[in-house]
Amino acid sequence: NAGVTQTPKFQVLKTGQSMTLQCAQDMNHNSMYWYRQDPGMGLRLIYYSASEGTTDKGEVPNGYNVSRLNKREFSLRLESAAPSQTSVYFCASSPTDNYGYTFGSGTRLTVV
Amino acid sequence: RKEVEQDPGPFNVPEGATVAFNCTYSNSASQSFFWYRQDCRKEPKLLMSVYSSGNEDGRFTAQLNRASQYISLLIRDSKLSDSATYLCAPLGGTSGTYKYIFGTGTRLKVLA
Repeated sequence: NAGVTQTPKFQVLKTGQSMTLQCAQDMNHNSMYWYRQDPGMGLRLIYYSASEGTTDKGEVPNGYNVSRLNKREFSLRLESAAPSQTSVYFCASSPTDNYGYTFGSGTRLTVV
Repeated sequence: RKEVEQDPGPFNVPEGATVAFNCTYSNSASQSFFWYRQDCRKEPKLLMSVYSSGNEDGRFTAQLNRASQYISLLIRDSKLSDSATYLCAPLGGTSGTYKYIFGTGTRLKVLA
C-alpha cells in the first residue's frame, strides 16, 4: 500500500524555469492538498481540492497552479520558478476534508 | 496573535519522563484538532485526533480546552524514539472548505 506518492523527491531549477510536481494517492481519498514547509514558517497551504473536479486557493497560491487530474492525482505547477519558491513541498490526502491527512514524502525544491 | 502558536522548544527530557506541550489557537470556530509527529527531513504523520474533550492512545494523551482555546499533548514514559517535532493542527471552516492551520511545531529530544 503506497499511500501518497510524490515525484520527484529532489529538484534544482533555474529562475524562470517551469516544472510540475506530481502527486498520486491510492487510498480512494476525496480530498487532496499541496503544502510548502519553510524553516520557522511551518506548513502553509498552497492549494487544495476538496473533491474531484474542484480546486481552491489556500494561504499562499501566488506563483502556482494545480490540476486535479482525476480522483487519484493532484499536480502542482510552477510556471516561472523564483528563488522564493525554494522549499519542501508536501502533498497530502484525506478521506474528506475533516479527517486527518496522509502526507507524501515530500519534494525538496531549490531555485537558483 | 498567530492563528496557532506552539513553543518551539526544544524540550530535552530523560528517558522515562513525562512531558507535555500546549498549542493555543485563535479561531474559536475550530471544530476538531490533530497532532502530527514529524521526524527530521521527513513528512508529518498523524498521531492523534481530538474531537471533543480529549483522546488517549497508549502513552499519548491529547486534551482540549475550548474555553481557553488550547490543546495539549502529554507523553508518558518517554522513549528515545519519541524524539521528533510535534505539530498541532486545528481544523476550521465549513463542509467542503475545512482546512488545517498548522503550528510551527514543538521539538522534543528524549535523552538516554
